[in-house]
Amino acid sequence: DQQVKQNSPSLSVQEGRISILNCDYTNSMFDYFLWYKKYPAEGPTFLISISSIKDKNEDGRFTVFLNKSAKHLSLHIVPSQPGDSAVYFCAASGDGGSNYKLTFGKGTLLTVNP
Amino acid sequence: NAGVMQNPRHLVRRRGQEARLRCSPMKGHSHVYWYRQLPEEGLKFMVYLQKENIIDESGMPKERFSAEFPKEGPSILRIQQVVRGDSAAYFCASSPPSLSNTGELFFGEGSRLTVL
Repeated sequence: DQQVKQNSPSLSVQEGRISILNCDYTNSMFDYFLWYKKYPAEGPTFLISISSIKDKNEDGRFTVFLNKSAKHLSLHIVPSQPGDSAVYFCAASGDGGSNYKLTFGKGTLLTVNP
Repeated sequence: NAGVMQNPRHLVRRRGQEARLRCSPMKGHSHVYWYRQLPEEGLKFMVYLQKENIIDESGMPKERFSAEFPKEGPSILRIQQVVRGDSAAYFCASSPPSLSNTGELFFGEGSRLTVL
């Protein structure tokens, strides 16, 4: 039973345009949501997070939006750059108070074309 | 390199052999976590350790898998009598003693186990 779903395995955008990566979850006990970025043959690196009490968090070119009623979050990257090409994982924590136990989606491969 | 260090990066084993994966946390971090990524899947939590203590092993398979984090030296994930289904990328992560509310973990580059 997948509690965190990323329904788009891949996304391709043009440099300078907006990239929107989507994520849905089913467990209402999650209270933090995180996005990790992963290059091939490397470990995931933390990008941005959002608490369940907020609906938006912004950090430079990256903005995460949370819609709790729809159990949906999205990551916006604007403007997109070729160096953003990577796999993006959505993750959630907080179920049962164990904020170290991240539940990951399967990832979305973002390709930014020059 | 002050990051999470994992070795070996690649490990090939035949069915029935043992695999040992090592992880040294970031400097100043005393908590270690192991995650596994099967092909075409997201990362899945396996175990959470502090020095000389297993805090949460709820994600560990019941048999053949064990983990330790001794007082001295790296954390070790041990898989006995490996089977083809154990082929995966095993990621170690670490955090400082006070994990932030967000649960942000710092991941190593992973150890890729291939079972022939």
